[in-house]
Amino acid sequence: GAVVSQHPSRVICKSGTSVKIECRSLDFQATTMFWYRQFPKKSLMLMATSNEGSKATYEQGVEKDKFLINHASLTLSTLTVTSAHPEDSSFYICSARLQGVYGYTFGSGTRLTVV
Amino acid sequence: AQTVTQSQPEMSVQEAETVTLSCTYDTSESNYYLFWYKQPPSRQMILVIRQEAYKQQNATENRFSVNFQKAAKSFSLKISDSQLGDTAMYFCAFMSVTGNQFYFGTGTSLTVIP
Repeated sequence: GAVVSQHPSRVICKSGTSVKIECRSLDFQATTMFWYRQFPKKSLMLMATSNEGSKATYEQGVEKDKFLINHASLTLSTLTVTSAHPEDSSFYICSARLQGVYGYTFGSGTRLTVV
Repeated sequence: AQTVTQSQPEMSVQEAETVTLSCTYDTSESNYYLFWYKQPPSRQMILVIRQEAYKQQNATENRFSVNFQKAAKSFSLKISDSQLGDTAMYFCAFMSVTGNQFYFGTGTSLTVIP
């Protein structure tokens, strides 16, 4: 089946530094990828939608200068948390839309802790 | 805007018993998709079952079935013969046929008791 590989699974970084999270579609081409944020015991909130070769579309309230999304190829989308602060600590999940069907597959998530 | 409500933050069920998780939603659209996703402790989101709104027949997948009441905007999930591996967070989700964004409920944490 379609698999999205998300790395790293866990990352701890110092406040003020930047962290990059990668999502790769392993056996299909993902023209559209989605980035979600999940707070503890809460639901998934869509942060942004990225389309290959174009700028990401951010949801209201999401700082696009803090959460940089790049979707340079059909198999790779990255989320960079810039100048991270402790309040950015969260669980981040990517999702890819499968071509031709209303199917979606999710990455395994990244636990970001900013200290 | 679409909203999805799961009114049961936590539930538990004895192994081999049946449990039903509730979900209601609000939309002005006539055609859409509804989903149940499972998120076990590994945090991997796993699709449990999907329902197209234009289909009157309730979807089933092995031990999982839904009760889809379109007029009432209700979409409950029934898990039969509960297994320990069913312990997870369950999210109900809505998606318009014209869009590609999930609207997730707040989730129900299900614990299967041996």
